Amino acid sequence: QKEVEQDPGPLSVPEGAIVSLNCTYSNSAFQYFMWYRQYSRKGPELLMYTYSSGNKEDGRFTAQVDKSSKYISLFIRDSQPSDSATYLCAMSATGTASKLTFGTGTRLQVTL
Amino acid sequence: DADVTQTPRNRITKTGKRIMLECSQTKGHDRMYWYRQDPGLGLRLIYYSFDVKDINKGEISDGYSVSRQAQAKFSLSLESAIPNQTALYFCATSDRRTSEETQYFGPGTRLLVL
Repeated sequence: QKEVEQDPGPLSVPEGAIVSLNCTYSNSAFQYFMWYRQYSRKGPELLMYTYSSGNKEDGRFTAQVDKSSKYISLFIRDSQPSDSATYLCAMSATGTASKLTFGTGTRLQVTL
Repeated sequence: DADVTQTPRNRITKTGKRIMLECSQTKGHDRMYWYRQDPGLGLRLIYYSFDVKDINKGEISDGYSVSRQAQAKFSLSLESAIPNQTALYFCATSDRRTSEETQYFGPGTRLLVL
């Protein structure tokens, strides 16, 4: 079983919808949680960085961490076609970038 | 200009050939990384370097070697390429001085080993 599980999708939603992307994990030592966005033929770019449990909001994006359930989510409000990309979750026990464990990514398509 | 550049962007090679993938950065970061990305497996760390004299193996280093020629340059070599090394390769950098150690990724090199 993988340490981090992520539904690969694809997930297709209409423009304006609320999108929920999720990851589950098995390692209770993970404390740092990240979401990366990867456009086709590009490298991943960091969207959200959270420590421990709770919510963090940045514009249309909200990251949520539930350590008791070992479950993290990324919500996208008012989704736009430009949000179409693959979203990767990543997590670490130490906070150092050399110890990141990535999910396999969920491909999102926002349609007009 | 891009902060993290990778060359080549695409490469086709044959089994047994030696190839080198190069990464350069202008971000002034001390830490650099090489990942490979495969469908269904996500990103996996091959090697990482915390400075020019500090190089470490990652999760899947077998069959690969690296060289940190300068703070800004980190090369990945496949000594004798094999078909299961066909993948998308990413270089990344980070700055240990930041509280949230964000990694910045290059655009990737798409490698096909025949």
